[in-house]
Amino acid sequence: RKEVEQDPGPFNVPEGATVAFNCTYSNSASQSFFWYRQDCRKEPKLLMSVYSSGNEDGRFTAQLNRASQYISLLIRDSKLSDSATYLCVVISGSARQLTFGSGTQLTVLP
Amino acid sequence: DTAVSQTPKYLVTQMGNDKSIKCEQNLGHDTMYWYKQDSKKFLKIMFSYNNKELIINETVPNRFSPKSPDKAHLNLHINSLELGDSAVYFCASSHEPGRVNTEAFFGQGTRLTVV
Repeated sequence: RKEVEQDPGPFNVPEGATVAFNCTYSNSASQSFFWYRQDCRKEPKLLMSVYSSGNEDGRFTAQLNRASQYISLLIRDSKLSDSATYLCVVISGSARQLTFGSGTQLTVLP
Repeated sequence: DTAVSQTPKYLVTQMGNDKSIKCEQNLGHDTMYWYKQDSKKFLKIMFSYNNKELIINETVPNRFSPKSPDKAHLNLHINSLELGDSAVYFCASSHEPGRVNTEAFFGQGTRLTVV
């Protein structure tokens, strides 16, 4: 089982739609969680951290469920500019390395 | 000012050659990384390094070796390049993982093509 697994995608949604991505992690001792965004042929960039109580940043909401070992990202009112690959990232293990999921590709259609 | 810079951006080379990719960060971070992103876009950790230890992903061939002359640099040396090494290599840096809100900053990537 992979350390971090994501919805395979791709997701193709119309502008204005609400879309949700899920990510599961295998190490129950994982410490920190993030969502990164990667545009085509660009480097990954932090979208938002994920806190235990859940957190919101504008149209984006991140949730953490430690009991079920998954995190989610909700995007409301999708924009064309939201088209990208969304990467789930977990810090866990004694090495405390950032481990990336395989990414979920989102395309927002006009 | 570029926070994490890596060079070259593109590298085309023949099988069997030895090459290096340079990475520098000016963020004052104490941990640096190398990731490999293959054609399926999966980002896989190769190395993480801070002034305390080097952590090597056990699946990385020993033809790959990181070299850190100082805290701000982590270069990647690759010996005897193979076709399967073709990928995009990303350098990144962060404060020591495990600290609250550790954000990793990435370089623009080096697209390596082995022919």
